[in-house]
Amino acid sequence: GAGVSQSPRYKVAKRGQDVALRCDPISGHVSLFWYQQALGQGPEFLTYFQNEAQLDKSGLPSDRFFAERPEGSVSTLKIQRTQQEDSAVYLCASSPVGGGRIGNQPQHFGDGTRLSIL
Amino acid sequence: QKEVEQNSGPLSVPEGAIASLNCTYSDRGSQSFFWYRQYSGKSPELIMFIYSNGDKEDGRFTAQLNKASQYVSLLIRDSQPSDSATYLCAVNDGGSQGNLIFGKGTKLSVKP
Repeated sequence: GAGVSQSPRYKVAKRGQDVALRCDPISGHVSLFWYQQALGQGPEFLTYFQNEAQLDKSGLPSDRFFAERPEGSVSTLKIQRTQQEDSAVYLCASSPVGGGRIGNQPQHFGDGTRLSIL
Repeated sequence: QKEVEQNSGPLSVPEGAIASLNCTYSDRGSQSFFWYRQYSGKSPELIMFIYSNGDKEDGRFTAQLNKASQYVSLLIRDSQPSDSATYLCAVNDGGSQGNLIFGKGTKLSVKP
């Protein structure tokens, strides 16, 4: 497909388990973003990659959250020792440009992973 | 704390009417402004983006930007029941690499 693909669509985990969420951006897109969307809220920024470089991780809520994009394409968001407050939809977005132009380019979102921590 | 404020609604309009959605933002460094539509359980879908003061029209949608007042709006003409969704206002974080700051969204309901 031509859009941003995320997997799994739904993930249920017990508190304390580790989870990994995958994002496959639009082919050739330089920039990749992760957002967290709680129920009834707008998405909140977690982290940003330009190619394989993680240039901003200021939104990650704790050191239990870790993201990588080793080859500048697919990205994985990992959450260790999950807590109930981690329950949310995790959205991935990509953009065709990077650097100083990125603020002017729309981001294209995937369908998200709905994470539920029991 | 950089914020984007939207009335959460629900905003209810009859079919065929004009729906007016409003948004204010706090970061004067923001230069790019976006409206996303989000159906329940789905991802945000880009509707409009605007960079310059004034109006920008695309079909039934018009985005309006007033940087002096830090105000963005979206008008939907000839509203249809299929327009019923949550509309998210987003602005770029002027101090960052380009991440977006979102409002909580306004839920629009178009009644047949």
